[in-house]
Amino acid sequence: GENVEQHPSTLSVQEGDSAVIKCTYSDSASNYFPWYKQELGKRPQLIIDIRSNVGEKKDQRIAVTLNKTAKHFSLHITETQPEDSAVYFCAASKKNFNKFYFGSGTKLNVKP
Amino acid sequence: NAGVMQNPRHLVRRRGQEARLRCSPMKGHSHVYWYRQLPEEGLKFMVYLQKENIIDESGMPKERFSAEFPKEGPSILRIQQVVRGDSAAYFCASARQDEQYFGPGTRLTVT
Repeated sequence: GENVEQHPSTLSVQEGDSAVIKCTYSDSASNYFPWYKQELGKRPQLIIDIRSNVGEKKDQRIAVTLNKTAKHFSLHITETQPEDSAVYFCAASKKNFNKFYFGSGTKLNVKP
Repeated sequence: NAGVMQNPRHLVRRRGQEARLRCSPMKGHSHVYWYRQLPEEGLKFMVYLQKENIIDESGMPKERFSAEFPKEGPSILRIQQVVRGDSAAYFCASARQDEQYFGPGTRLTVT
């Protein structure tokens, strides 16, 4: 089955700096890669996603890149703000209506 | 447009009791997933259901756990004879094509 690994497990940055979180996956059939943000005690919220026919996607301060050959994808947050502090999860799935395999999460702390 | 609903939000059970967790998907979504999250950990897939069908239950423990999604009403995750190790947050998600949207979760505490 699929195995998703996520690094780093914790990340501390100064407000205004950039943050990068990386994930690798093992199953080359995976073709959908969402990123979720989870604040303490809250539900995971979808913040951005990318499909395997695209190499990069951007939404304001958030971008995701995908390297299918190397089987890794990354989340980039620019101009970080204290409200970006949360746990971020990457995930991979194979096709429509299929289960997600989640990474173990990255706790991002943005210091004011 | 209501999002995914889960209830109860918090549930306390003594060891040996049954826990029933309910999930109502977003309007127009007919696919429901259940995930378990232990403290400080990621989400682990448990089961995927469509109306009246279990599609994939490969993440469900073989004993004490069951799930259903009837033609009418919410999806239900049932845990029989709960043990302390069942204490966790249980999230359901409903799907429109690839994207899954999560409910607020049920935090189960077994005393």
